[in-house]
Amino acid sequence: ETGVTQSPTHLIKTRGQQVTLRCSSQSGHNTVSWYQQALGQGPQFIFQYYREEENGRGNFPPRFSGLQFPNYSSELNVNALELDDSALYLCASSLAGFPQENHFGPGTRLTVT
Amino acid sequence: AQSVTQPDIHITVSEGASLELRCNYSYGATPYLFWYVQSPGQGLQLLLKYFSGDTLVQGIKGFEAEFKRSQSSFNLRKPSVHWSDAAEYFCAVATKGNYGGSQGNLIFGKGTKLSVKP
Repeated sequence: ETGVTQSPTHLIKTRGQQVTLRCSSQSGHNTVSWYQQALGQGPQFIFQYYREEENGRGNFPPRFSGLQFPNYSSELNVNALELDDSALYLCASSLAGFPQENHFGPGTRLTVT
Repeated sequence: AQSVTQPDIHITVSEGASLELRCNYSYGATPYLFWYVQSPGQGLQLLLKYFSGDTLVQGIKGFEAEFKRSQSSFNLRKPSVHWSDAAEYFCAVATKGNYGGSQGNLIFGKGTKLSVKP
């Protein structure tokens, strides 16, 4: 069973730039959720993708967008980066349904300078 | 609004001592509850979950948690802590939010950092 993988591990961007983070879901999982974890905080839900469509969204502005591909992998895109976007971005995959058992990847550490 | 509170930001216990991490939730419907552990620089690993049935649930690494509806609590326990248990622990509740047909998402507490003294 292949777990959730994320790339890159770390990256540093400048304010105003754009970034794309990638996630491969655990084999057999068809739903991907993205979370932002600021330093010293719990993860916060950004959005979820199912059947290649956004299937729920947290309190994040439209400059946070995503994609899901036919193989269930996913991308998180953030435009016009702000300093407060510095965080650990976690991807979680699950099977469709509620409640879900989410399996998390190791995360991507984004630093915005 | 749904929320999860972990009252203890940082706890230090001696190796071999017992551990209890507190979690309180606010959720109008049947709560589906989780405990995750996060080692430094790592993602989240699921320790255990409560969906229904027996209110005492067993998890991995010798952890257990007890769901108490009357107290809106889901405290995590371990009878004897090992140095490798040092990590940050997050309690979470699954919610459907306001997304209509969405499958829902997790609301996390702010976490409790566990340090283990030799």
